[in-house]
This record gives sequence, structure tokens and C-alpha cells, in this order.
Amino acid sequence: AQSVTQPDIHITVSEGASLELRCNYSYGATPYLFWYVQSPGQGLQLLLKYFSGDTLVQGIKGFEAEFKRSQSSFNLRKPSVHWSDAAEYFCAVGPSGSARQLTFGSGTQLTVLP
Amino acid sequence: KAGVTQTPRYLIKTRGQQVTLSCSPISGHRSVSWYQQTPGQGLQFLFEYFSETQRNKGNFPGRFSGRQFSNSRSEMNVSTLELGDSALYLCASSTRTGGEVYEQYFGPGTRLTVT
Repeated sequence: AQSVTQPDIHITVSEGASLELRCNYSYGATPYLFWYVQSPGQGLQLLLKYFSGDTLVQGIKGFEAEFKRSQSSFNLRKPSVHWSDAAEYFCAVGPSGSARQLTFGSGTQLTVLP
Repeated sequence: KAGVTQTPRYLIKTRGQQVTLSCSPISGHRSVSWYQQTPGQGLQFLFEYFSETQRNKGNFPGRFSGRQFSNSRSEMNVSTLELGDSALYLCASSTRTGGEVYEQYFGPGTRLTVT
């Protein structure tokens, strides 16, 4: 069975600082990997996805993520955080060849200090 | 393009009652998935519908059911509500190319509170 681990429940960074959110997955084959962001009272917004090819993927809002097969990781990064980035971030995995039936991590809550 | 819409946005029900939630996918999307989000269990997959047929189902009791109409709109129903059913129910719509789903776009959710 596939699973996703986000080891950091809560991260606090200062505005303008760099950010890295960790995600580790467990899946036998090459998975489809996603990062979503959820603001309070809102649904999930897709930040970026990895299907195959270049292991460094660019997303919206200046986010990027790197797929590392050897470490079973798909960490999300942003070089300079803005106050509006404060939200909850979810990593998700879909079975190989599909984005249906996503399995989500437990989420990382990001607080941005002024 | 309009996004995924879900109605109602908020709902309060009593234990034992039943509830129906509605989801209208993005125009042209024919696959609709439902997820339950709770503080304790996180985000969990309920089921997926495509072409009016349930294609995948998560590990939820039979009290949770759904359907999809010919215009791709979907409803999910929860019967005999329990306190533990209080959650944010999210609908996601997708295209299905070659039989597979490549991206899911989520609606704002319906917040269900069971008292």
C-alpha cells in the first residue's frame, strides 16, 4: 500500500526566508507526486506535480519540488517566503500512471512571521 | 473556466439523519472524486465516479454512497449520520485521458457538522 509521510507538523519561518517542506513516500513503482496548499476554509489548490522526466519541477507561486528516488522524497522549496504563503501544505501520491485515489500526507502547517 | 462548485458550503445535521452533498465539476471534466478531511484522520479518499459509474472506492462503510449524473455532476449521500462523520467533504474533478486521471482540481468543500 502506498503511504506519504510529512514529518513536520508545523513550521515557522520569517518572511523573506527560504522554505523547505519535507515529504517521504512509500510506493513500489514510480508514483505520481503532488503538492497541494490549503488556506483556512478553502479547498486544495494544486501547486505542482511530478509524473516523470526532469526531477526538479516548477510550480505556481514560486514553488519548486525535487523528486529523489533514492531517498523516496519529494520536498517542496521556495527561496523567499511571503506572508501570503501561510497555509497548510499537503503532499500526495497517486498510483503509478494515475492521479486517481490520491493518498495524502498529514500536512504541514506553515506560519510566516513578519 | 469556472472551478469546482460544492453545495451547500455548510451543513448541520443531527445523529441518525441522512445528508446529500452536491458537486459540479469543471466544465468538460467527467471524473469526480470525493474526499473526507478530518483533524484525526486527515484527507481520505471516498470514491471516484466517471461516466456515471463508480470506478474506485475507499475504505468507508456502506453508509457512504454516491452517484454521478449524465452532466457529470455528482452527489454523495451519508445515511444514519454519526458524530464521527463531522468533516470537510471535498470534491475533486478531473479529466480522464486514456482511462487515467492526471490532475485533480478541488472544490471549496462542504463543512458537515453532526450534533
